[in-house]
Amino acid sequence: EAGVVQSPRYKIIEKKQPVAFWCNPISGHNTLYWYLQNLGQGPELLIRYENEEAVDDSQLPKDRFSAERLKGVDSTLKIQPAELGDSAVYLCASSLEQAGTSGANEQFFGPGTRLTVL
Amino acid sequence: SQQGEEDPQALSIQEGENATMNCSYKTSINNLQWYRQNSGRGLVHLILIRSNEREKHSGRLRVTLDTSKKSSSLLITASRAADTASYFCATPGRAGSYQLTFGKGTKLSVIP
Repeated sequence: EAGVVQSPRYKIIEKKQPVAFWCNPISGHNTLYWYLQNLGQGPELLIRYENEEAVDDSQLPKDRFSAERLKGVDSTLKIQPAELGDSAVYLCASSLEQAGTSGANEQFFGPGTRLTVL
Repeated sequence: SQQGEEDPQALSIQEGENATMNCSYKTSINNLQWYRQNSGRGLVHLILIRSNEREKHSGRLRVTLDTSKKSSSLLITASRAADTASYFCATPGRAGSYQLTFGKGTKLSVIP
């Protein structure tokens, strides 16, 4: 079974340029997450999708970040314009969340996209 | 804000020794998870322990949970060089939530 796929793996851009990251979750997983991970820190949630609906985007800086999950499968995270402080690893994860469970099941992570903003 | 906090921040041991990492959290939880992250990779799920469990084993891993102290520990026995990685505990953002909040992690180095 294929894992979570992310592309590109690395991206170097100049500040004020736009950038987009793509994620294809594990087949059948209804929940998709985008995380930001700074060096030496744990992942921090940016946005969570249940199918095609964004159910938690409170940590997403909406002035420059946007995300979509059309058709409830793969997802794109965009930054426009990028700032120096956006340099980080952007992780995508997916899980199969089922109603009636006690919450927070195992999440499967992709390898991440390492963004460097110059 | 981060709910869980791992301790120590870094740990260096010789191959064959045991490694113990601790996690403290702030609010009541119904489960706690541990993840591993090798350098330059995504996170890999290791183990999930529910609030009604006190101890759980998986291979060379042993996880304990003390809900009265709001703490958990991860023990890796007979460590190997391949165990070198960062280890994170993760807790639900709020009761019943599917969102996970991660700590800053413990960076484990196993010296051959």
